[in-house]
Amino acid sequence: EIVLTQSPATLSLSPGERATLSCRASQSVSSYLAWYQQKPGQAPRLLIYDASNRATGIPARFSGSGSGTDFTLTISSLEPEDFAVYYCQQRSNWPPMYSFGQGTKLEIK
Amino acid sequence: QVTLRESGPALVKPTQTLTLTCTFSGFSLSTSGMCVSWIRQPPGKALEWLALIDWDDDKYYSTSLKTRLTISKDTSKNQVVLTMTNMDPVDTATYYCARIRCDSSWYFDYWGQGTLVTVSS
Repeated sequence: EIVLTQSPATLSLSPGERATLSCRASQSVSSYLAWYQQKPGQAPRLLIYDASNRATGIPARFSGSGSGTDFTLTISSLEPEDFAVYYCQQRSNWPPMYSFGQGTKLEIK
Repeated sequence: QVTLRESGPALVKPTQTLTLTCTFSGFSLSTSGMCVSWIRQPPGKALEWLALIDWDDDKYYSTSLKTRLTISKDTSKNQVVLTMTNMDPVDTATYYCARIRCDSSWYFDYWGQGTLVTVSS
């Protein structure tokens, strides 16, 4: 089973700053990686899929990069509504199996 | 517009079987490329993928839980049902269903609001 490790566990930043979140896979997942945002009491929301593609309706300040085992989610300039928990998630090519990282909490400094 | 809604018991006793229903609209599970999955999240913890069913009735399960899980669909009712046997307090979690476009992105693009299941005697 592929294990995803996210860092840092908590990131404290101010609105307007740049956020960089990392996700490392225990073995290569090619580009089969997604990022989700989850706010308290809400379901996760798909932000990025296939490592670098923004999902429908996601603002351009969110971007993803990486391949193989190391991935990054970047928020170029934080808005107040961006403070939330972020999860990375991988899928195996075949059969379809999924796993999530443990999450990074992005909090207001 | 695509919507999903989970329903089921809020409280189950240890050793009982949990049955959850996902009722969806805005797409059909008889359409090629459509899939529905279940994911859970214990309070304050990370997400955990459980199972997936596709339009062709193929089923896939989490390796660690596959002996306890069964996923099925009723296309005429636009529903997907998940059963989990031998429930334990560690299974206390919010259970989500989500849609997957298995013909393209293969990720969870629409989610239900989740249903909290507590396992306690």
